[in-house]
Amino acid sequence: EVVLTQSPGTLSLPPGERATLSCRASQNVNNIYLAWYQQKPGQAPSLLIYGASSRATGVPDRFGGSGSGTDFTLTISRLEPEDSAVYYCQYYGSYLNFGGGSRVEIQ
Amino acid sequence: QVQLQESGPRLVKPSETLSLTCIVSGGSLSLYYGSWFRQTPGKGLEWIGYVKYSGRTNYNPSLKDRVTLSVDTSRNQFSLRLTSVTAADSAVYYCARSADYSYGVDVWGQGTTVTVSS
Repeated sequence: EVVLTQSPGTLSLPPGERATLSCRASQNVNNIYLAWYQQKPGQAPSLLIYGASSRATGVPDRFGGSGSGTDFTLTISRLEPEDSAVYYCQYYGSYLNFGGGSRVEIQ
Repeated sequence: QVQLQESGPRLVKPSETLSLTCIVSGGSLSLYYGSWFRQTPGKGLEWIGYVKYSGRTNYNPSLKDRVTLSVDTSRNQFSLRLTSVTAADSAVYYCARSADYSYGVDVWGQGTTVTVSS
């Protein structure tokens, strides 16, 4: 079973700054099954990135995904107030797993 | 625009069976995966499993002895049954629809809170 470890736990930055979130897998994974989600309080998760680097429909281009093997990154290039949320990475091998999440707070 | 809505009892007694249905509107379930997830403050997001339109299933190993997922393509809905529930099964339950998981899970229901209590 692949274990996904996300860091940092919480990131607090002002609007306009760049946020870099990490997702580390316990073993090499297939990029095509690595996804990122955004979840705001009281809402369901919302797909941001699939296949490690492809933006989902309607996702602003300030969100970008990269990485391969065991190390993956979600970058928010210019933070907006509405980006305040918890971000999860997810991998599907034989089973589907989520990381523990990274909270982004806008100062 | 595809929408999903979870329905079912919000309160279930310990040792009984939790049953939820996900109704898909504005789009077809055919050729898609119907998935179930749950979320608690303590355990975060947890995948329960998926059922394909063909009826093929895949379950989280930690739940597979208690879970059954089924699909009714004629009614455009899919269902979750979780047996022998305990307080640890109290959670927000989400249904979702997706193509192959390589495209991520892109359509989610709003979620329903289920509490296990006598």
